[in-house]
Amino acid sequence: DQQVKQNSPSLSVQEGRISILNCDYTNSMFDYFLWYKKYPAEGPTFLISISSIKDKNEDGRFTVFLNKSAKHLSLHIVPSQPGDSAVYFCAAIPQGGSEKLVFGKGTKLTVNP
Amino acid sequence: DAGVIQSPRHEVTEMGQEVTLRCKPISGHNSLFWYRQTMMRGLELLIYFNNNVPIDDSGMPEDRFSAKMPNASFSTLKIQPSEPRDSAVYFCASWYRGKRGYTFGSGTRLTVV
Repeated sequence: DQQVKQNSPSLSVQEGRISILNCDYTNSMFDYFLWYKKYPAEGPTFLISISSIKDKNEDGRFTVFLNKSAKHLSLHIVPSQPGDSAVYFCAAIPQGGSEKLVFGKGTKLTVNP
Repeated sequence: DAGVIQSPRHEVTEMGQEVTLRCKPISGHNSLFWYRQTMMRGLELLIYFNNNVPIDDSGMPEDRFSAKMPNASFSTLKIQPSEPRDSAVYFCASWYRGKRGYTFGSGTRLTVV
């Protein structure tokens, strides 16, 4: 069973607008949630994280929101730029010392000039 | 730090041949992970090591796959014999537990013909 789900395989946005990428999780046993960004022919790179006890974390154009009651997190990119075009993975760090991050399947974001 | 280093970047081999993928983790990171990325399944965890010891190999698809970590600075993933369905991008990642999660290498694109 997939504990972290990204239900949209792709998203297309106009440059300058907001990009919203979504992620749902199925249990509450996670310490942190993370977003990774992946360009073609490169490995995923860490983008931003949020503690499970927080509701929001912001880093420049990137903001992650966590809605614990809905078991939902989202990544907002404002304003979107063509260089943001990439695959974005949602991931979660389990509680209890497990080292196995749980990854979603990714959402491909395309920002059109 | 040079990051996680994988070699080769690209590998094309004939069905039935042995393939060895290599990884050098970040110095000081005590956990190492091998992932496979495909369009259908996203990022699949194959195996991970902690302090050079294999902890979980439940993701290794078949006995044709094996992995070793003889020391803290080197790991290999071997496929013998290789098959066309093994064609994918293989990522190595390392981690010293923290809220930024894993650091990934650039991957090895394997094509088995």
